Amino acid sequence: DSGVTQTPKHLITATGQRVTLRCSPRSGDLSVYWYQQSLDQGLQFLIQYYNGEERAKGNILERFSAQQFPDLHSELNLSSLELGDSALYFCASSTDSLNTEAFFGQGTRLTVV
Amino acid sequence: GQQVMQIPQYQHVQEGEDFTTYCNSSTTLSNIQWYKQRPGGHPVFLIQLVKSGEVKKQKRLTFQFGEAKKNSSLHITATQTTDVGTYFCAERLYNFNKFYFGSGTKLNVKP
Repeated sequence: DSGVTQTPKHLITATGQRVTLRCSPRSGDLSVYWYQQSLDQGLQFLIQYYNGEERAKGNILERFSAQQFPDLHSELNLSSLELGDSALYFCASSTDSLNTEAFFGQGTRLTVV
Repeated sequence: GQQVMQIPQYQHVQEGEDFTTYCNSSTTLSNIQWYKQRPGGHPVFLIQLVKSGEVKKQKRLTFQFGEAKKNSSLHITATQTTDVGTYFCAERLYNFNKFYFGSGTKLNVKP
């Protein structure tokens, strides 16, 4: 158990809909990262938050947004969903110095039908 | 976009054979980390390399960081079926906060 909790584990929704994925980082970790992993693909960096503030953006679509709350949990909002958004979405947390490892949650598998 | 290239994309080996995956970056890295993702699982941290020319070993796994801090490798000696999975390198860049993963090398080990 990495200590990072993601909910829900699975999500099936229709095209055009909006969903929210939730992540609770490890206790004490201030930094949260979101990644998208399509079937048998690599990990695409989406966005990073540190202590409530956006710190870095990767290949995140405008239809997607995220935030980190004062209790440090984070949410990834995906709207106007398309079939191609079907993927595994991972959240990771770290203490956020350069020299620390990232701990990944189990992921949320999103299926858009 | 992502700076680090990882090769090969796939590797099929017979149990007992060696395996190596390589990561190459166009920029100097502050450090490089390696992760393993088992089929159906999530990435799990293996190791971090920070110093130029650094070599670290974990049992049958040997990790190297290039002298120029632009490339790294992971070598597995005498693979076992438990080594099956996808191995990712991950880079953090100086003065950036982005945390990019390489494309991964998927290792299959035949018993």
